[in-house]
Amino acid sequence: EDKVVQSPLSLVVHEGDTVTLNCSYEVTNFRSLLWYKQEKKAPTFLFMLTSSGIEKKSGRLSSILDKKELFSILNITATQTGDSAIYLCAGVWGNTPLVFGKGTRLSVIA
Amino acid sequence: DAGITQSPRHKVTETGTPVTLRCHQTENHRYMYWYRQDPGHGLRLIHYSYGVKDTDKGEVSDGYSVSRSKTEDFLLTLESATSSQTSVYFCAISPTSSQETQYFGPGTRLLVL
Repeated sequence: EDKVVQSPLSLVVHEGDTVTLNCSYEVTNFRSLLWYKQEKKAPTFLFMLTSSGIEKKSGRLSSILDKKELFSILNITATQTGDSAIYLCAGVWGNTPLVFGKGTRLSVIA
Repeated sequence: DAGITQSPRHKVTETGTPVTLRCHQTENHRYMYWYRQDPGHGLRLIHYSYGVKDTDKGEVSDGYSVSRSKTEDFLLTLESATSSQTSVYFCAISPTSSQETQYFGPGTRLLVL
């Protein structure tokens, strides 16, 4: 059973739309959750979340963790074509390395 | 960008041949990782290292071995390549005190015919 489940797996939106990407995770020994953006190359780090209810924000991107309901969301407002990418969610449990979800492929069309 | 390089960046090989991929870092980070990325599977951990000569298996380690004789280099070897090992391979590093924030190399695209 997957420890990290992302939804949707793919999404197409128009420029200017707001999108919400979802990531649910398994609870046992959970420590932190991370978001990465992957364009046509290596994933790049966006956010790390460890505390419930505290929003992390960077420009038009924001993310929050809900430890009660075991999920995180990544919001992108006023989307641009440059936001087109695969967005990866990953979790850390105990002292083990990151476990990644399958990713959400976002396409922003003009 | 974190100082991580991978070589080769592209490789085509034949089934049954050995292949070695190299990851080199200039950050002196303790932890190094090898992932493979395939459509529909996301990033899956193959092996990782938590110090020189200290390595451990990941989720998809069968058919792969690793070695780390120096802090800066982490080698991934496919002993006898198979078509199922056609993939994009990413190396990642993370600082001494944390495994959370990983920085990724540019990737190696491997095609096994």
